[in-house]
Amino acid sequence: DAGVTQSPTHLIKTRGQQVTLRCSPKSGHDTVSWYQQALGQGPQFIFQYYEEEERQRGNFPDRFSGHQFPNYSSELNVNALLLGDSALYLCASSLAARVTGELFFGEGSRLTVL
Amino acid sequence: GQNIDQPTEMTATEGAIVQINCTYQTSGFNGLFWYQQHAGEAPTFLSYNVLDGLEEKGRFSSFLSRSKGYSYLLLKELQMKDSASYLCAVWNNAGNMLTFGGGTRLMVKP
Repeated sequence: DAGVTQSPTHLIKTRGQQVTLRCSPKSGHDTVSWYQQALGQGPQFIFQYYEEEERQRGNFPDRFSGHQFPNYSSELNVNALLLGDSALYLCASSLAARVTGELFFGEGSRLTVL
Repeated sequence: GQNIDQPTEMTATEGAIVQINCTYQTSGFNGLFWYQQHAGEAPTFLSYNVLDGLEEKGRFSSFLSRSKGYSYLLLKELQMKDSASYLCAVWNNAGNMLTFGGGTRLMVKP
């Protein structure tokens, strides 16, 4: 049973560029949440996707956008990268049918913006 | 909004007991999670409390008081491998999402 997988694991970009991060949820899960974790801090909620729609969004600018595909996998896109976007981006999957769903996290994509 | 507070860092000795506290303010509370995160790795689930009281799972226990907006994670018989960050997170059913505190970095020394 594959867990949550993310790609790429590491990447380096320069300011102003755009990046796309990918996530495949744990088998059987239908909901994907994205978190940004700066060094030494807790994960900050970006948004959540369910049934191919953004269901909930945290306090992040429109430069952050996402998508969920029919197979439940998801992408996170960040446009016009800033130095402050350097962080570990975590994808977490869960099952919407569970009222208080435990999140299962991927290993993350570490983004460095130079 | 939600506010979750936990100490930034703690140090303890191998074999000892350590308690990591977490206080929270939220609306629509529907459970509190503790996650462990080793440096450079993904957070992994430790415990979940939705009712008041103590949940024990091996060397780890978690306590919740909903009236006080307070939880703690208790780690017994500390091992060097317990050196990690411990994340307190609150499930807000109204928002249908998990909100994390800043994490407590625990250093276990010989």
